[in-house]
Amino acid sequence: AQSVTQLDSHVSVSEGTPVLLRCNYSSSYSPSLFWYVQHPNKGLQLLLKYTSAATLVKGINGFEAEFKKSETSFHLTKPSAHMSDAAEYFCVVSQGSNDYKLSFGAGTTVTVRA
Amino acid sequence: NAGVMQNPRHLVRRRGQEARLRCSPMKGHSHVYWYRQLPEEGLKFMVYLQKENIIDESGMPKERFSAEFPKEGPSILRIQQVVRGDSAAYFCASSPLTGEGDEQFFGPGTRLTVL
Repeated sequence: AQSVTQLDSHVSVSEGTPVLLRCNYSSSYSPSLFWYVQHPNKGLQLLLKYTSAATLVKGINGFEAEFKKSETSFHLTKPSAHMSDAAEYFCVVSQGSNDYKLSFGAGTTVTVRA
Repeated sequence: NAGVMQNPRHLVRRRGQEARLRCSPMKGHSHVYWYRQLPEEGLKFMVYLQKENIIDESGMPKERFSAEFPKEGPSILRIQQVVRGDSAAYFCASSPLTGEGDEQFFGPGTRLTVL
């Protein structure tokens, strides 16, 4: 079975400083990994996706994530936070051969201080 | 191209009533997925449907829950005789014809409150 652990339920950063959201996964197969963002009252939007190509994945809005198999991690980073980055972020793993079945972490809420 | 549409956005039901949640996939998408998000938890897979077919309902509770995706019209998630534990956000997602491995595009969710 696949599972995802997001290590921080809340992260607070100052505008212009780096953002780090931590995610560890477990998977019996070669996983596909995703980060989704959810702004209040909006649907989830895909930030980036890893599917066994380059281990450093670049996404939208300046976000990127690095797949580290040895550490079973897929941490999300952004060098400089913007006020519009305040949202909830979900790390997601797909379940191998049934890869339509996404498994979500519990989410990390990001607040950005002016 | 409009995104995935869900309605209603908020739904209040009393215990024992029925809840019907609707999902219109993105234009050209024939695969629909339903997920449930309980408070303080991540989304959990419920069911995967293609037009007129249930492909995988392994995440659906055995009783009171059903889903359909008819040839015409939106996908419907139906909860009969709701209980307080059904209070959650229900998200629908859709993907294009090729299905597996494609990005899933999510709707804004329906927030169900059972009184």
